[in-house]
Amino acid sequence: DTAVSQTPKYLVTQMGNDKSIKCEQNLGHDTMYWYKQDSKKFLKIMFSYNNKELIINETVPNRFSPKSPDKAHLNLHINSLELGDSAVYFCASSQGGQWNGAGELFFGEGSRLTVL
Amino acid sequence: GQNIDQPTEMTATEGAIVQINCTYQTSGFNGLFWYQQHAGEAPTFLSYNVLDGLEEKGRFSSFLSRSKGYSYLLLKELQMKDSASYLCAVTDSNYQLIWGAGTKLIIKP
Repeated sequence: DTAVSQTPKYLVTQMGNDKSIKCEQNLGHDTMYWYKQDSKKFLKIMFSYNNKELIINETVPNRFSPKSPDKAHLNLHINSLELGDSAVYFCASSQGGQWNGAGELFFGEGSRLTVL
Repeated sequence: GQNIDQPTEMTATEGAIVQINCTYQTSGFNGLFWYQQHAGEAPTFLSYNVLDGLEEKGRFSSFLSRSKGYSYLLLKELQMKDSASYLCAVTDSNYQLIWGAGTKLIIKP
Protein backbone atom coordinates (compact mmCIF):
# COMPACT_ATOMS: atom_id res chain seq x y z
CA ASP A 1 0.00 0.00 0.00
CA THR A 2 1.25 3.45 -0.87
CA ALA A 3 1.74 5.51 2.29
CA VAL A 4 0.91 8.90 0.76
CA SER A 5 -0.96 8.84 -2.52
CA GLN A 6 -2.08 11.73 -4.65
CA THR A 7 -4.07 11.99 -7.85
CA PRO A 8 -3.83 12.84 -10.62
CA LYS A 9 -0.14 12.37 -11.34
CA TYR A 10 -0.33 14.57 -14.42
CA LEU A 11 -2.74 17.40 -15.08
CA VAL A 12 -2.84 19.59 -18.18
CA THR A 13 -5.38 22.37 -18.30
CA GLN A 14 -6.16 25.80 -19.69
CA MET A 15 -5.68 29.14 -17.98
CA GLY A 16 -8.69 30.22 -16.01
CA ASN A 17 -9.89 26.71 -15.21
CA ASP A 18 -10.45 25.33 -11.72
CA LYS A 19 -8.82 22.05 -10.73
CA SER A 20 -8.31 19.84 -7.70
CA ILE A 21 -5.60 17.47 -6.59
CA LYS A 22 -6.45 14.80 -4.06
CA CYS A 23 -4.18 13.39 -1.36
CA GLU A 24 -4.62 10.53 1.06
CA GLN A 25 -2.29 9.12 3.69
CA ASN A 26 -2.68 5.76 5.42
CA LEU A 27 0.06 6.30 8.01
CA GLY A 28 -2.19 7.63 10.74
CA HIS A 29 -0.21 10.87 10.78
CA ASP A 30 -1.51 14.00 12.46
CA THR A 31 -0.30 16.57 9.98
CA MET A 32 -0.53 16.91 6.21
CA TYR A 33 1.10 19.41 3.90
CA TRP A 34 1.05 20.74 0.39
CA TYR A 35 4.32 21.76 -1.23
CA LYS A 36 5.01 23.37 -4.59
CA GLN A 37 8.22 22.53 -6.42
CA ASP A 38 8.99 24.85 -9.30
CA SER A 39 11.39 24.45 -12.20
CA LYS A 40 14.31 25.55 -10.02
CA LYS A 41 13.54 22.65 -7.69
CA PHE A 42 12.85 24.73 -4.59
CA LEU A 43 10.30 23.09 -2.34
CA LYS A 44 7.94 25.75 -1.02
CA ILE A 45 5.45 25.02 1.74
CA MET A 46 1.94 26.07 0.86
CA PHE A 47 -0.14 24.70 3.71
CA SER A 48 0.21 22.57 6.76
CA TYR A 49 -2.90 21.18 8.39
CA ASN A 50 -4.08 18.95 11.16
CA ASN A 51 -7.44 18.60 12.82
CA LYS A 52 -6.75 21.60 14.95
CA GLU A 53 -5.01 24.14 12.85
CA LEU A 54 -4.51 25.27 9.29
CA ILE A 55 -1.32 27.18 8.70
CA ILE A 56 -1.14 29.04 5.44
CA ASN A 57 2.01 30.35 3.85
CA GLU A 58 1.12 34.00 3.39
CA THR A 59 2.74 34.08 -0.03
CA VAL A 60 0.21 31.59 -1.39
CA PRO A 61 -2.53 33.27 -3.47
CA ASN A 62 -6.04 32.81 -2.14
CA ARG A 63 -6.89 31.02 -5.39
CA PHE A 64 -5.37 28.00 -3.65
CA SER A 65 -7.42 26.41 -0.92
CA PRO A 66 -6.92 23.20 1.06
CA LYS A 67 -9.89 21.03 1.86
CA SER A 68 -9.72 18.28 4.45
CA PRO A 69 -12.75 15.99 4.73
CA ASP A 70 -10.97 13.97 7.42
CA LYS A 71 -7.60 13.40 9.06
CA ALA A 72 -6.37 11.13 6.27
CA HIS A 73 -7.17 13.44 3.39
CA LEU A 74 -6.02 16.87 2.32
CA ASN A 75 -7.08 18.01 -1.11
CA LEU A 76 -5.85 21.07 -2.96
CA HIS A 77 -8.28 23.16 -4.95
CA ILE A 78 -7.05 25.81 -7.34
CA ASN A 79 -9.27 28.46 -8.88
CA SER A 80 -8.61 30.51 -11.99
CA LEU A 81 -5.38 28.78 -12.92
CA GLU A 82 -2.51 30.90 -14.20
CA LEU A 83 0.57 30.03 -16.25
CA GLY A 84 2.78 30.51 -13.18
CA ASP A 85 0.93 27.77 -11.36
CA SER A 86 2.66 25.19 -13.54
CA ALA A 87 4.77 23.13 -11.17
CA VAL A 88 4.91 19.82 -9.36
CA TYR A 89 2.71 19.76 -6.27
CA PHE A 90 3.66 17.36 -3.50
CA CYS A 91 1.46 16.23 -0.69
CA ALA A 92 3.25 15.10 2.48
CA SER A 93 2.46 13.95 5.98
CA SER A 94 4.25 13.72 9.31
CA GLN A 95 3.51 12.32 12.73
CA GLY A 96 4.05 15.62 14.49
CA GLY A 97 3.42 19.14 13.41
CA GLN A 98 5.13 22.47 13.43
CA TRP A 99 4.34 23.07 17.08
CA ASN A 100 6.08 19.98 18.40
CA GLY A 101 8.66 19.13 15.78
CA ALA A 102 7.41 17.72 12.53
CA GLY A 103 9.82 14.84 12.25
CA GLU A 104 10.28 12.98 9.04
CA LEU A 105 8.08 13.92 6.12
CA PHE A 106 6.56 11.29 3.89
CA PHE A 107 5.86 12.59 0.42
CA GLY A 108 3.40 11.54 -2.22
CA GLU A 109 4.64 10.95 -5.76
CA GLY A 110 3.76 14.45 -6.89
CA SER A 111 1.24 15.90 -9.31
CA ARG A 112 2.69 17.68 -12.32
CA LEU A 113 0.41 20.54 -13.28
CA THR A 114 0.83 22.20 -16.65
CA VAL A 115 -1.23 25.29 -17.38
CA LEU A 116 -1.49 26.23 -21.06
CA GLY B 1 16.12 36.38 5.94
CA GLN B 2 16.45 32.65 6.21
CA ASN B 3 18.78 30.91 3.84
CA ILE B 4 20.03 27.44 3.01
CA ASP B 5 23.04 27.14 0.69
CA GLN B 6 24.23 24.03 -1.05
CA PRO B 7 26.11 23.50 -4.31
CA THR B 8 23.93 23.29 -7.37
CA GLU B 9 25.64 20.29 -8.92
CA MET B 10 28.42 17.82 -8.18
CA THR B 11 29.98 15.01 -10.16
CA ALA B 12 31.62 11.91 -8.70
CA THR B 13 32.82 8.52 -9.85
CA GLU B 14 31.22 5.19 -9.09
CA GLY B 15 32.86 3.59 -6.07
CA ALA B 16 34.25 6.88 -4.77
CA ILE B 17 33.24 9.09 -1.84
CA VAL B 18 31.47 12.44 -2.12
CA GLN B 19 30.65 15.11 0.45
CA ILE B 20 27.74 17.47 -0.10
CA ASN B 21 27.86 20.58 2.05
CA CYS B 22 25.01 22.65 3.40
CA THR B 23 25.25 25.95 5.25
CA TYR B 24 22.27 27.60 6.85
CA GLN B 25 21.23 30.89 8.36
CA THR B 26 17.91 30.58 10.12
CA SER B 27 16.04 32.14 13.00
CA GLY B 28 16.73 29.43 15.52
CA PHE B 29 17.39 25.78 14.92
CA ASN B 30 15.41 22.66 15.70
CA GLY B 31 17.06 20.11 13.49
CA LEU B 32 18.43 19.50 10.02
CA PHE B 33 17.19 16.98 7.48
CA TRP B 34 18.68 15.47 4.37
CA TYR B 35 16.36 14.11 1.69
CA GLN B 36 17.11 12.31 -1.56
CA GLN B 37 15.06 13.05 -4.66
CA HIS B 38 15.44 11.06 -7.87
CA ALA B 39 14.38 12.85 -11.04
CA GLY B 40 10.63 12.83 -11.40
CA GLU B 41 10.08 11.27 -7.99
CA ALA B 42 9.21 12.38 -4.48
CA PRO B 43 11.83 13.32 -1.87
CA THR B 44 12.63 10.53 0.56
CA PHE B 45 14.08 10.92 4.03
CA LEU B 46 17.77 10.15 4.54
CA SER B 47 18.82 11.59 7.88
CA TYR B 48 18.06 13.92 10.75
CA ASN B 49 20.60 15.74 12.94
CA VAL B 50 19.78 17.89 15.92
CA LEU B 51 22.97 17.49 17.97
CA ASP B 52 26.50 18.17 16.82
CA GLY B 53 28.42 15.28 15.40
CA LEU B 54 28.26 12.51 12.87
CA GLU B 55 25.31 10.19 12.30
CA GLU B 56 26.15 7.10 10.28
CA LYS B 57 23.61 5.02 8.42
CA GLY B 58 25.11 2.46 6.09
CA ARG B 59 26.86 4.11 3.16
CA PHE B 60 25.44 7.50 4.12
CA SER B 61 26.57 9.72 7.00
CA SER B 62 25.45 13.18 8.02
CA PHE B 63 27.40 15.67 10.08
CA LEU B 64 26.22 18.76 11.94
CA SER B 65 27.97 21.74 13.53
CA ARG B 66 25.39 24.07 15.01
CA SER B 67 27.94 26.71 15.95
CA LYS B 68 29.06 26.95 12.33
CA GLY B 69 25.61 26.59 10.80
CA TYR B 70 27.00 23.75 8.72
CA SER B 71 26.17 20.21 7.75
CA TYR B 72 27.41 17.73 5.22
CA LEU B 73 26.13 14.51 3.75
CA LEU B 74 28.82 11.93 3.05
CA LEU B 75 28.13 9.19 0.54
CA LYS B 76 30.57 6.28 0.37
CA GLU B 77 31.03 3.52 -2.20
CA LEU B 78 28.98 5.46 -4.70
CA GLN B 79 26.61 3.54 -6.91
CA MET B 80 24.94 4.66 -10.11
CA LYS B 81 21.59 4.65 -8.33
CA ASP B 82 22.89 7.42 -6.04
CA SER B 83 22.50 9.86 -8.93
CA ALA B 84 19.83 12.17 -7.56
CA SER B 85 19.27 15.54 -5.97
CA TYR B 86 20.07 15.86 -2.28
CA LEU B 87 18.00 18.38 -0.36
CA CYS B 88 19.07 20.00 2.89
CA ALA B 89 16.28 21.36 5.10
CA VAL B 90 16.38 23.10 8.48
CA THR B 91 13.63 23.47 11.06
CA ASP B 92 13.72 26.95 12.59
CA SER B 93 12.59 28.15 16.00
CA ASN B 94 8.96 28.20 14.83
CA TYR B 95 9.34 24.67 13.47
CA GLN B 96 9.06 25.99 9.95
CA LEU B 97 10.96 23.72 7.58
CA ILE B 98 13.27 25.77 5.36
CA TRP B 99 14.48 23.98 2.24
CA GLY B 100 17.62 24.37 0.16
CA ALA B 101 17.38 24.14 -3.62
CA GLY B 102 19.15 20.80 -3.60
CA THR B 103 22.42 19.48 -5.00
CA LYS B 104 22.22 17.44 -8.16
CA LEU B 105 24.72 14.60 -7.87
CA ILE B 106 25.88 12.98 -11.09
CA ILE B 107 27.66 9.63 -10.81
CA LYS B 108 29.91 8.59 -13.67
CA PRO B 109 31.14 5.05 -14.31
